[in-house]
Amino acid sequence: KNQVEQSPQSLIILEGKNCTLQCNYTVSPFSNLRWYKQDTGRGPVSLTIMTFSENTKSNGRYTATLDADTKQSSLHITASQLSDSASYICVVNDFGNEKLTFGTGTRLTIIP
Amino acid sequence: GAVVSQHPSWVICKSGTSVKIECRSLDFQATTMFWYRQFPKQSLMLMATSNEGSKATYEQGVEKDKFLINHASLTLSTLTVTSAHPEDSSFYICSARDMGLAATEQYFGPGTRLTVT
Repeated sequence: KNQVEQSPQSLIILEGKNCTLQCNYTVSPFSNLRWYKQDTGRGPVSLTIMTFSENTKSNGRYTATLDADTKQSSLHITASQLSDSASYICVVNDFGNEKLTFGTGTRLTIIP
Repeated sequence: GAVVSQHPSWVICKSGTSVKIECRSLDFQATTMFWYRQFPKQSLMLMATSNEGSKATYEQGVEKDKFLINHASLTLSTLTVTSAHPEDSSFYICSARDMGLAATEQYFGPGTRLTVT
């Protein structure tokens, strides 16, 4: 069964600090992995999308890494801002299937 | 670009009534749209895949007669919750796949909060 697990479940950090969120998956065959940011009461917004051949991708202060061999990904947030407070969801797409497998998310809270 | 809208953004209805939620791709055409449901502190759960001009494909455990989906055009899909009950209260999110891009790209709407009293 395809699964995506994220850790930690929740995280609280001070404004300006860096943090790293983790994602492990068992989806096979693998097509791509996405990180989304979801503010409370809003739909997910795409941060990065990585295919099998990509091992890092940046979007501003967000940098995602992918190790397709170990089936792990991370999302690193640099110089956190209060607006980064949200849920971050790791989503994996298997090859040839439009359906996405969602992780349960990491709830990130930035405090001043 | 690649904006997906939903209407209404929130709705409150009485038990037993029906509610229609619209999902529109504003600046691209979408042959395929997806409907998700999200309960508090949980991840998105796919309810059904909506294809323009054909019947929707429902996930296991989702009642097709209760959640009616109509994908009448390349920019509009609707989800109607019929005979709503309090347990249908949830956050409903749609996503749309851009025909012009690779099949992997999906864009999500802002969601609709449904509360059934």
